[in-house]
Amino acid sequence: IVMTQTPLSLPVTPGEPASISCRSTQSLLDSDDGNTYLDWYLQKPGQSPQLLIHTLLHRASGVPDRFSGSGSGTDFTLKISRVEAEDVGVYYCMQRIDFPLTFGGGTKVEIK
Amino acid sequence: QVQLVESGGGVVQPGRSLRLSCAASGFVFSRYVMHWVRQAPGKGLEWVAVISYDGYNEDYADSVKGRFTISRDNSNDTIFLQMNSLKLEDTGVYYCVRGSSGWEYWGQGTLVAVSS
Repeated sequence: IVMTQTPLSLPVTPGEPASISCRSTQSLLDSDDGNTYLDWYLQKPGQSPQLLIHTLLHRASGVPDRFSGSGSGTDFTLKISRVEAEDVGVYYCMQRIDFPLTFGGGTKVEIK
Repeated sequence: QVQLVESGGGVVQPGRSLRLSCAASGFVFSRYVMHWVRQAPGKGLEWVAVISYDGYNEDYADSVKGRFTISRDNSNDTIFLQMNSLKLEDTGVYYCVRGSSGWEYWGQGTLVAVSS
């Protein structure tokens, strides 16, 4: 399954919303359990990736509610309602419905 | 608290071998699937391998299949990645990750540099 993210780079203004898209070549919906196996990660400069959203729309523990995940089937979106300076880094989507597990190429978010 | 600590990285020549380790603590290790994920310098994330909680099942990325072997020692809460026939393109930071609904726990990574 190939994961494609857009845009590659996203300059943002603090306080403004931001959105990242992710598309998969196959549906990530598991018809057996109804879950969509799409996760979002943020890798801040010099750090290991950190989980933001799992299983399409579930925020990880401690993740601010300005982050939200949505979508269905093969098209997904990560939204930040009001960007803060600490949100800079590279965002990755990842599918875990089938092996080999695959990541999107990443979207670099930086402050304007 | 959950900790994953990788070790074993270093500089190695093409064609040689290296064995990475990841020591886990702070959770019941034998209940979790574990993964290795790598990141080439300045590039994105690439899933490498997975091992089941009991060590009986594994899977690999096509890029490493036949060269890398993942294993685990549930008595010592450790996973390993045996990397043989290393190639220049295997260079990168290797992360150990605890599998679950969303990968909440990652190690700090260990750097593997394949260079002649």
